[in-house]
Amino acid sequence: DTGVSQDPRHKITKRGQNVTFRCDPISEHNRLYWYRQTLGQGPEFLTYFQNEAQLEKSRLLSDRFSAERPKGSFSTLEIQRTEQGDSAMYLCASSSWDSFNNEQFFGPGTRLTVL
Amino acid sequence: DAKTTQPNSMESNEEEPVHLPCNHSTISGTDYIHWYRQLPSQGPEYVIHGLTSNVNNRMASLAIAEDRKSSTLILHRATLRDAAVYYCILRVANAQKLVFGQGTRLTINP
Repeated sequence: DTGVSQDPRHKITKRGQNVTFRCDPISEHNRLYWYRQTLGQGPEFLTYFQNEAQLEKSRLLSDRFSAERPKGSFSTLEIQRTEQGDSAMYLCASSSWDSFNNEQFFGPGTRLTVL
Repeated sequence: DAKTTQPNSMESNEEEPVHLPCNHSTISGTDYIHWYRQLPSQGPEYVIHGLTSNVNNRMASLAIAEDRKSSTLILHRATLRDAAVYYCILRVANAQKLVFGQGTRLTINP
């Protein structure tokens, strides 16, 4: 297993366009998280799935953002009508339900630039 | 979410111990103290965690004050690969999300 993977690694888009990112968690992990990180700041929690159920969403997740995990495996994060303020690194993480410390394994991130 | 306070940056020399402090005076009895680090151009990675007692693992040690209002991450012998941003995080028991602050940027001099 090669860890959490994210695709694409970089995305440049024009304001107003829609973008979709994909995250493939570690195969046996049933929990999946999305975070957003802007330059010089720590990651901010966006949302969390346990299997296919989206159990928690941050207030940061406006109605332009939607996340899915249809079969409890990979997840997608879509941003509609992108704005320049959406420019950030989008990080995905996964963890196992039986992890005693809820250790989250992070992917390399998708860097979004909105022009 | 309970808040943590860390110095913005610290500097140390290769092969010397490093003590990274974290204040969390509003910690509650069920909050776990987690440390993650983020190497340049990578996602964060878990370092260590604890509740009340000091903890050791292959990466680091965690010293927790008796009143739990502060903790210190100890890297026993820093290498250049330890240069990263280190985040001290309080996680409520059974909560899933991690709440990151700005962390401490650690620079290691050769």
